[in-house]
Amino acid sequence: GQNIDQPTEMTATEGAIVQINCTYQTSGFNGLFWYQQHAGEAPTFLSYNVLDGLEEKGRFSSFLSRSKGYSYLLLKELQMKDSASYLCAASNTDKLIFGTGTRLQVFP
Amino acid sequence: DVKVTQSSRYLVKRTGEKVFLECVQDMDHENMFWYRQDPGLGLRLIYFSYDVKMKEKGDIPEGYSVSREKKERFSLILESASTNQTSMYLCASSWDRGRETQYFGPGTRLLVL
Repeated sequence: GQNIDQPTEMTATEGAIVQINCTYQTSGFNGLFWYQQHAGEAPTFLSYNVLDGLEEKGRFSSFLSRSKGYSYLLLKELQMKDSASYLCAASNTDKLIFGTGTRLQVFP
Repeated sequence: DVKVTQSSRYLVKRTGEKVFLECVQDMDHENMFWYRQDPGLGLRLIYFSYDVKMKEKGDIPEGYSVSREKKERFSLILESASTNQTSMYLCASSWDRGRETQYFGPGTRLLVL
């Protein structure tokens, strides 16, 4: 079967670090996407991991372990504008399978 | 910049009406997708298309149909709208179905009364 799990909600303080976890099960797995979605807006691409390991892109990093079916998105030096939903999506040959999203609230 | 546009941001329809949602992309992408997004359920794939006149069912195709007569345009059709089709509808396009990021349109919030 296909299944993506991520926490529903998280809160953090401005300037802190937060890690959003995602576990997945899908046949024909290619890679793992992370998207950011602000309320009322379209999802926008953050990262794509194909190989195991950590990929860093400014304040955001994403990690993948294919053997464990596990990924995380790490957000450093949190800013108020990082308050959004973060969607984990596993890709196979045909399509993306999305998790339900993690709503992150950043407080001052 | 990739641009995906959708015909309406907000739409109100009555039960039983036929509803057309239009999506246009300007990047010559082969693949186009229609999703609906509901609280607690995330993004669910309705239909996708990997070429003109080709279509594939996604995870929740019941009550919907699609049309792709031109490469840049992908339409979602609700033959007879029902209240349980009230949702946010998102269109996306990509170069590759599984290996490249999808670019999303702004979404259409549909209310069926």
